[in-house]
Amino acid sequence: SQTIHQWPATLVQPVGSPLSLECTVEGTSNPNLYWYRQAAGRGLQLLFYSVGIGQISSEVPQNLSASRPQDRQFILSSKKLLLSDSGFYLCAWNAVGAGSYTFGSGTRLTVV
Amino acid sequence: QKEVEQNSGPLSVPEGAIASLNCTYSDRGSQSFFWYRQYSGKSPELIMSIYSNGDKEDGRFTAQLNKASQYVSLLIRDSQPSDSATYLCAVRVSGGYNKLIFGAGTRLAVHP
Repeated sequence: SQTIHQWPATLVQPVGSPLSLECTVEGTSNPNLYWYRQAAGRGLQLLFYSVGIGQISSEVPQNLSASRPQDRQFILSSKKLLLSDSGFYLCAWNAVGAGSYTFGSGTRLTVV
Repeated sequence: QKEVEQNSGPLSVPEGAIASLNCTYSDRGSQSFFWYRQYSGKSPELIMSIYSNGDKEDGRFTAQLNKASQYVSLLIRDSQPSDSATYLCAVRVSGGYNKLIFGAGTRLAVHP
């Protein structure tokens, strides 16, 4: 069966520090991968999605970037964090042609 | 800008009652619709999907879709305190790579 792993679960980082969040999917190949952010009390905002290795589409201009170095690995990065980057970051995947997503357990990021 | 709108709530219902959650969407070309449940501090989990006009039932849950009115709803029968969560409506964007747009969610509180 397919599983999605996301880490770390929580992270407290100072303003101006770098960020790297990782997500991996097991049990499938060539998944569509997504990064969402959920600010406190808000909905899910799509940040990036990827349909294949090295293929990244950005939805919102921001302080973040994403990379997909391997088929089932998706990384969210920042060179210098801002206070506004705080939130709950969720990785998700679905199979090509499928509708719904499966989410990872999320990373709660607090920038201080 | 394609949007999904939900009443933020909280919607408070007594145990055993029917909870009715509503969602409207702006993308007239959308064909796939989903309801996710999100407990506080956790990631969303899929509870229902619906693709055709009408009703779809799964246990205590019924999803209703009216594409002409661009309206989706979720009914929860015999509500239980364990149903207390935020319910997110998601719409698959037409013309995109399986992109889902989420509403901000409706918080449901079921009181004994």
